[in-house]
Amino acid sequence: NAGVTQTPKFQVLKTGQSMTLQCAQDMNHEYMSWYRQDPGMGLRLIHYSVGAGITDQGEVPNGYNVSRSTTEDFPLRLLSAAPSQTSVYFCASAYTLPGEQFFGPGTRLTVL
Amino acid sequence: GQSLEQPSEVTAVEGAIVQINCTYQTSGFYGLSWYQQHDGGAPTFLSYNALDGLEETGRFSSFLSRSDSYGYLLLQELQMKDSASYFCAVRDMLTGGGNKLTFGTGTQLKVEL
Repeated sequence: NAGVTQTPKFQVLKTGQSMTLQCAQDMNHEYMSWYRQDPGMGLRLIHYSVGAGITDQGEVPNGYNVSRSTTEDFPLRLLSAAPSQTSVYFCASAYTLPGEQFFGPGTRLTVL
Repeated sequence: GQSLEQPSEVTAVEGAIVQINCTYQTSGFYGLSWYQQHDGGAPTFLSYNALDGLEETGRFSSFLSRSDSYGYLLLQELQMKDSASYFCAVRDMLTGGGNKLTFGTGTQLKVEL
């Protein structure tokens, strides 16, 4: 099993550009989530999904959209990138909470 | 909402025992998790406590006291590879139907020779 995969690993955007961060898991997990991590801070939940077709907002959802058309994929879209979105983004999946969440390797995003 | 407090940094010597504390405030507590993250890496799950008491997994143990809104992670026989950040996280049943985890800001553990 590949576990949780994320692409790209690194990305540099200009202010105002849009892009999609990809996340996929091959463990048949129902629960998937996106976090951002800024220096010296913990992980903050952006959006999560408890199954295909179901998404909900986390702690810091503004400026981000998600969709969950399949169990495997949970892409995160930045609508109009801003410097404040410079961060490391982690995708995670779990069979269900409170079970173990498996994290992807992260995407390091810089917005200029 | 929820809030968690952890020390920002702890230093210990190889072979020693270290305790990383976590206090939380939440309106509908439903469990405390611990994650480890090495520099540049992804978080990895260590433990989960839903009930009071101590859970042991090898060199790592996790403790929870729901009445005190407090938990800790205990690392024994410290090794250099234990140098990492450790995050506690709470699951709150009153927010998002229990489908949200709120993480603390993390404790950076430095293990010295």
